[in-house]
Amino acid sequence: DAGITQSPRHKVTETGTPVTLRCHQTENHRYMYWYRQDPGHGLRLIHYSYGVKDTDKGEVSDGYSVSRSKTEDFLLTLESATSSQTSVYFCATRGGGTEAFFGQGTRLTVV
Amino acid sequence: QQQVKQSPQSLIVQKGGISIINCAYENTAFDYFPWYQQFPGKGPALLIAIRPDVSEKKEGRFTISFNKSAKQFSLHIMDSQPGDSATYFCAASMRNTGFQKLVFGTGTRLLVSP
Repeated sequence: DAGITQSPRHKVTETGTPVTLRCHQTENHRYMYWYRQDPGHGLRLIHYSYGVKDTDKGEVSDGYSVSRSKTEDFLLTLESATSSQTSVYFCATRGGGTEAFFGQGTRLTVV
Repeated sequence: QQQVKQSPQSLIVQKGGISIINCAYENTAFDYFPWYQQFPGKGPALLIAIRPDVSEKKEGRFTISFNKSAKQFSLHIMDSQPGDSATYFCAASMRNTGFQKLVFGTGTRLLVSP
């Protein structure tokens, strides 16, 4: 998995609580991405980063924020979790090449 | 708006058979078409990719066929094996626009029966 660690791997949280997912990489890749995967929707980009402190919104960014204070860490925060944010979240990283590498995912359930 | 439409949603193939997954796209500016393979509990991984200057690309048992005029591309898995059982995603983007511009299909769950 190209040195990508997502934590936690599973989480159950209550509606209205903040949640932070972490992506840690050991590849020194410049680019990092957060996706959500839902049945019938495939993979949809939430936010991405093109360097430390440089981030931008993706297709489904509402209700999510990100931070990247170090090259190796990219955090995804659900400011106030809702049931519609129940999903599997994937982090991906990319160096100088075309292709990106995905982590193993975090399954988040909002009850 | 779904820019890449993938079918079928699920597929069952007998061992040794041919698995075929189809994708259609709308944006004629797309010029990079990768396929990803995802095993249960794992993240997607690039399987094979094609650019529109060729009509077919083969890597082992996996072949991408590309029809530019029809705006369609497909993945063929020859001699399908139980180990090929996974979810497959097609995707599309424009060259040099960055990985963040990659648009994914909705996925096909393939089961190869022994």
